[in-house]
Amino acid sequence: DVVLTQSPLSLPVTLGQPASLSCRSSQGLVHPNGNTNLDWFQQRPGQSPRRLIYHVSNRDSGVPDRFSGSESGTEFTLKISRVEAEDVGIYYCVQYAHWPHTFGQGTKLEI
Amino acid sequence: EVQLVASGGGLVQPGGSLRLSCVGSGFTFNTYWMNWVRQTPEKGLEWVANINPDGSQKTFVDSVKGRFTMSRDNVKNSVTLQMNSLRAEDTAVYYCAGWGAGNYWGQGIVVTVSS
Repeated sequence: DVVLTQSPLSLPVTLGQPASLSCRSSQGLVHPNGNTNLDWFQQRPGQSPRRLIYHVSNRDSGVPDRFSGSESGTEFTLKISRVEAEDVGIYYCVQYAHWPHTFGQGTKLEI
Repeated sequence: EVQLVASGGGLVQPGGSLRLSCVGSGFTFNTYWMNWVRQTPEKGLEWVANINPDGSQKTFVDSVKGRFTMSRDNVKNSVTLQMNSLRAEDTAVYYCAGWGAGNYWGQGIVVTVSS
C-alpha cells in the first residue's frame, strides 16, 4: 500500500502568520491519465472532511486563495499564506492513484 | 444545495450485519464515483470501498473483502454498503463521499460492533 507520511503531526501557528504542511508519499502518484492524484482535505472539529485542493494544486470552489498546494517529486505541500481562526482543524492528504486509496495520518493545526 | 444523507448505522453484535445507505441530491449523481470512508481515533481515515458511476466496477480494501458489498441506484441517487460478518475492528464513523467534478461528503454515521 502507498504510505503517506504527514509532518508535522501538530502545528501551532499564530493568526496572520503562514503555515506549511508536508505530505510525503512512498510511491509516485501519477495516474495513467496524467493527473497526479493527491488531494488535501480539512476536517474541522465535529465536521465531515472537506476537500480544499485536488490534483496537487487546484483549489476547490469556495476555498480561499490563501490555501495553495505544490509538489516536488513525491513530497507534497499545503501552504496557508495567512492563518485565520477558522482554519483550526486537522489536515489530511489523500492519494487515489493506487488502490487501496490511502490517507495520511493528519496534521493538527492549532492557534 | 448539495446533500449526501447517510443512514443505517447503529449497534450490532460481532458476526452480525448492517446496511448503510446514502442518498445524494443537488449534483449529477450518475457521473460521480461513490465511496465509503471510515474513521477511528486509532487508525484515522480509511477508504473502505468505491463504485464507479455506472456501477460496473467496485473495489474494496482487503480487510472487508468477502464481507462487504456495495451497490448503487442511479435512478434513486443512492448508494448502499452491505456489511456482513461484522467484527469489532469495523467499529467506526462511516462517511459516504462522492468524487467527480466536485467532492461531497455526507454526515458521518456511527457503526459500533460490540457484544
